[in-house]
Amino acid sequence: DADVTQTPRNRITKTGKRIMLECSQTKGHDRMYWYRQDPGLGLRLIYYSFDVKDINKGEISDGYSVSRQAQAKFSLSLESAIPNQTALYFCATSDLTRDEQFFGPGTRLTVL
Amino acid sequence: GQNIDQPTEMTATEGAIVQINCTYQTSGFNGLFWYQQHAGEAPTFLSYNVLDGLEEKGRFSSFLSRSKGYSYLLLKELQMKDSASYLCAVNYGGATNKLIFGTGTLLAVQP
Repeated sequence: DADVTQTPRNRITKTGKRIMLECSQTKGHDRMYWYRQDPGLGLRLIYYSFDVKDINKGEISDGYSVSRQAQAKFSLSLESAIPNQTALYFCATSDLTRDEQFFGPGTRLTVL
Repeated sequence: GQNIDQPTEMTATEGAIVQINCTYQTSGFNGLFWYQQHAGEAPTFLSYNVLDGLEEKGRFSSFLSRSKGYSYLLLKELQMKDSASYLCAVNYGGATNKLIFGTGTLLAVQP
């Protein structure tokens, strides 16, 4: 059973389209994170949230927005997708007692 | 600024030992993670060093020197399935648990 799930797993879209990537977790963790991974650049933090009412920008938040609908759900939106947002996107969770982050399986997004 | 350096690629032989180095310069430091990532898959946790010294976990060991801004991951008795990227990440955000990742070291294990 997957503890952190992401949908969709793959998505191809066109420039200018609005896209939402969803993340759900059954680990009961309060902290959730969105990262993107690009070849040669490593994982970079987009947004993070400590609870439903707490949303924070990461290193590269421009062009992205997020919504924490519930403790278990954290969505990432691209309001108007552009080709340089083509990347592998990961959601991660952690709890207050351990610093380890648990990653979802990733969403491969291609913007044409 | 924030910077983490690790080699881009390494090659080793099945059954051998390999050491993957990581150096870091960050605005804060709470601990250092090593994650394993197979191509196209999620990173999975290997180790977390908070204090100086060596921590051993089966075939994998991780070392930290905070004064030198240096860590290494040691993999023993290499197996083909160890072929993967190894990511070094520093927890620099205090209570926020924010991580900064290195670009990863792609390890190829050859027969």
